[in-house]
Amino acid sequence: AQTVTQSQPEMSVQEAETVTLSCTYDTSESDYYLFWYKQPPSRQMILVIRQEAYKQQNATENRFSVNFQKAAKSFSLKISDSQLGDAAMYFCAYRGVKTSYDKVIFGPGTSLSVIP
Amino acid sequence: NAGVMQNPRHLVRRRGQEARLRCSPMKGHSHVYWYRQLPEEGLKFMVYLQKENIIDESGMPKERFSAEFPKEGPSILRIQQVVRGDSAAYFCASSYRSALYGYTFGSGTRLTVV
Repeated sequence: AQTVTQSQPEMSVQEAETVTLSCTYDTSESDYYLFWYKQPPSRQMILVIRQEAYKQQNATENRFSVNFQKAAKSFSLKISDSQLGDAAMYFCAYRGVKTSYDKVIFGPGTSLSVIP
Repeated sequence: NAGVMQNPRHLVRRRGQEARLRCSPMKGHSHVYWYRQLPEEGLKFMVYLQKENIIDESGMPKERFSAEFPKEGPSILRIQQVVRGDSAAYFCASSYRSALYGYTFGSGTRLTVV
């Protein structure tokens, strides 16, 4: 079965600095999608970034970028120029392409604090 | 274009009562997913539905829990005879075709069983 691990329960970053959140996953599939979701105190889950495993190029969305290492099964999220609004829980998630069941598997989350 | 609408936002039930959670997917979305989030934990998959069909309920407890997504109206997650352990945030998500493009989530329903 596929699993997603986030080894950092809590992280903090100074405003305007850069922070990297770690994520590893376990799968026997060769084709899949990876996601990072943000959950602010409002509880709303927001899709931050998405990566297709068959693409070697790392995805970027403005200040958010990923470092996708397929062989290592690692998918870290880098937040540049951190802002107070980035404070939230961040969840790494996985979805296999050929998986029989159409569902996304989430990691346990990393709580990010931004220090003014 | 309204997002995924969940109601109520907060629900308090006494032990033994029934809880009914509603989810209206985004317009044009025919895939609905329910997740449960316990305190300090990530989201756990419960059930995946398309219109009038349950596609995957592998994450849903066999007893007391049921879900439906009728042809007309919202998707309903129903919990009968609630117990304290059912207290959690329940999230609904929808997608146009499949989860490959990521979900759009609702704001969740926080169920508290007293």
